[in-house]
Amino acid sequence: GESVGLHLPTLSVQEGDNSIINCAYSNSASDYFIWYKQESGKGPQFIIDIRSNMDKRQGQRVTVLLNKTVKHLSLQIAATQPGDSAVYFCAEINQAGTALIFGKGTTLSVSS
Amino acid sequence: NAGVTQTPKFQVLKTGQSMTLQCAQDMNHEYMSWYRQDPGMGLRLIHYSVGAGITDQGEVPNGYNVSRSTTEDFPLRLLSAAPSQTSVYFCASSIRGHGYTFGSGTRLTVV
Repeated sequence: GESVGLHLPTLSVQEGDNSIINCAYSNSASDYFIWYKQESGKGPQFIIDIRSNMDKRQGQRVTVLLNKTVKHLSLQIAATQPGDSAVYFCAEINQAGTALIFGKGTTLSVSS
Repeated sequence: NAGVTQTPKFQVLKTGQSMTLQCAQDMNHEYMSWYRQDPGMGLRLIHYSVGAGITDQGEVPNGYNVSRSTTEDFPLRLLSAAPSQTSVYFCASSIRGHGYTFGSGTRLTVV
């Protein structure tokens, strides 16, 4: 079946540290992955995406790495700020390409 | 502002009542979907649509109906509400091969 999961439910870091959030997926045929940020009481917000023909993609303070060999995805946040505190989800597009499949999320807590 | 609009934001229902959660997008996206989010869990797919007149079931479709008569609107109907349907519901839209934009959610409580 298709499933996406995250390694750790919570991650606590100090302001200014770099954060790494990990995700494992099971469908080797998946070709499109997205990281979302969800703040309390709000809907998921798109952060960055990556397609299977890439290993790495960078945005503003964020980098996504894709390792297709071990079916692993990670989100790196540089110089983490208190405003980065949220739940982070990885998601993959289902086999038909018609909807997202989400993992359970990692709660990032940033202390100053 | 362009985006996905969900109404209402909050709703309390009695067991057995029916209601419709509204979702509208103004980005001309062909793909739309409904998810529910329960505490400690990720988002689970209820129903999705790839265009007007085309819908299909997701992971947890029981107790919910959808229709897609226009590109803009994708309402979710609860036929006979049950306490197990207490959740936060999110609607999302996308064009093929791109990330989904989410609405701000409807928090539903069934008593």
